[in-house]
Amino acid sequence: AQTVTQSQPEMSVQEAETVTLSCTYDTSESDYYLFWYKQPPSRQMILVIRQEAYKQQNATENRFSVNFQKAAKSFSLKISDSQLGDAAMYFCAYRPSGTYKYIFGTGTRLKVLA
Amino acid sequence: GAGVSQSPSNKVTEKGKDVELRCDPISGHTALYWYRQSLGQGLEFLIYFQGNSAPDKSGLPSDRFSAERTGGSVSTLTIQRTQQEDSAVYLCASSLAAGVANFGPGTRLTVT
Repeated sequence: AQTVTQSQPEMSVQEAETVTLSCTYDTSESDYYLFWYKQPPSRQMILVIRQEAYKQQNATENRFSVNFQKAAKSFSLKISDSQLGDAAMYFCAYRPSGTYKYIFGTGTRLKVLA
Repeated sequence: GAGVSQSPSNKVTEKGKDVELRCDPISGHTALYWYRQSLGQGLEFLIYFQGNSAPDKSGLPSDRFSAERTGGSVSTLTIQRTQQEDSAVYLCASSLAAGVANFGPGTRLTVT
């Protein structure tokens, strides 16, 4: 079965510091997509970053970057220069190529301390 | 442009009643998804529609749940004879065929 695991229910980071959120997944597929979504208290899920499995280069989006280790089935999110507005639930998600079904992890609540 | 919208934002209903939740996807998006998020849990897949293909209903938890998508646009998720365990946030998302899912703000359903 395809599963996504986020082993950190909650993380804290000081403002301006760097934090890394972990995500592992289990699949027998070779072609797929990985995503990190952010869900603030407003409930609106916002895409943070995505990675195509066939690309070796790690995706980056401003202060957000990923460490994609395909062999290890690991997809961690690094947030640099953390800001108060980064406080939210972060969900890791997986979607096999050719399908539209996303599989989500249980989320990591990130707290940013002033 | 406008994002995915959902209505109502919040719904409180009595156990045993039927409810309808509505989703208006982004115009032109061919794929539409419904997910359920229970308190403290991740997102649980319910159903998705893609163009004119038969919907993937594999995530619907029971036959009390159904969904339809009219004219390839608006979708309605119906829960019959609601139970307390149905209380959750119901999230709708839409995407272009191979694009990233854009989520709506969700409907918080409370069954008393």
